[in-house]
Amino acid sequence: NAGVTQTPKFQVLKTGQSMTLQCAQDMNHEYMSWYRQDPGMGLRLIHYSVGAGITDQGEVPNGYNVSRSTTEDFPLRLLSAAPSQTSVYFCASSPRLAEETQYFGPGTRLLVL
Amino acid sequence: KQEVTQIPAALSVPEGENLVLNCSFTDSAIYNLQWFRQDPGKGLTSLLLIQSSQREQTSGRLNASLDKSSGRSTLYIAASQPGDSATYLCAVREFQGAQKLVFGQGTRLTINP
Repeated sequence: NAGVTQTPKFQVLKTGQSMTLQCAQDMNHEYMSWYRQDPGMGLRLIHYSVGAGITDQGEVPNGYNVSRSTTEDFPLRLLSAAPSQTSVYFCASSPRLAEETQYFGPGTRLLVL
Repeated sequence: KQEVTQIPAALSVPEGENLVLNCSFTDSAIYNLQWFRQDPGKGLTSLLLIQSSQREQTSGRLNASLDKSSGRSTLYIAASQPGDSATYLCAVREFQGAQKLVFGQGTRLTINP
């Protein structure tokens, strides 16, 4: 049971490039989400999903796309990277939407030049 | 808009001391409150989850309390050890909308041998 896994651990992009941050969980959790962590801003919700085929926007969704084709995977796409997207990105999952503990992945550190 | 505040921002104590970390939130309409630990460069590890109907939760040397009406939670760490050094984050799960976690900025704790 690997829990929540994220790849890559670290990535450097140039402005305008696109990339996909991968997130997978093997706990059969319905609820998955993406947060970004910035100094002085704390963690903020980008997008979330309550099950396969269902996604919705969080607090800071602009510049990011998500999809949820399977229960296990929840990739985050940056369409055209900007320096403001330099951050640490965390994926999280929980069995259902509200009642249970959130489990976090180890994070992806992204630098956009 | 829900806001979560953690005081102090940083705390340094000698090994063996009992200590209290504070968390306050502005909107009492929450599902639950969760305390996390984050080590440098790592993801978040869930420590304790308190549902809105509960007053406290305990795990080993950790005890977390919740006073929803006053918008406060405390994390009590007994007999602190150098291995407890980390950043501690509290987060409330909102009752409405995305039911997202709203995080505080964290308390950076250093336990000196």
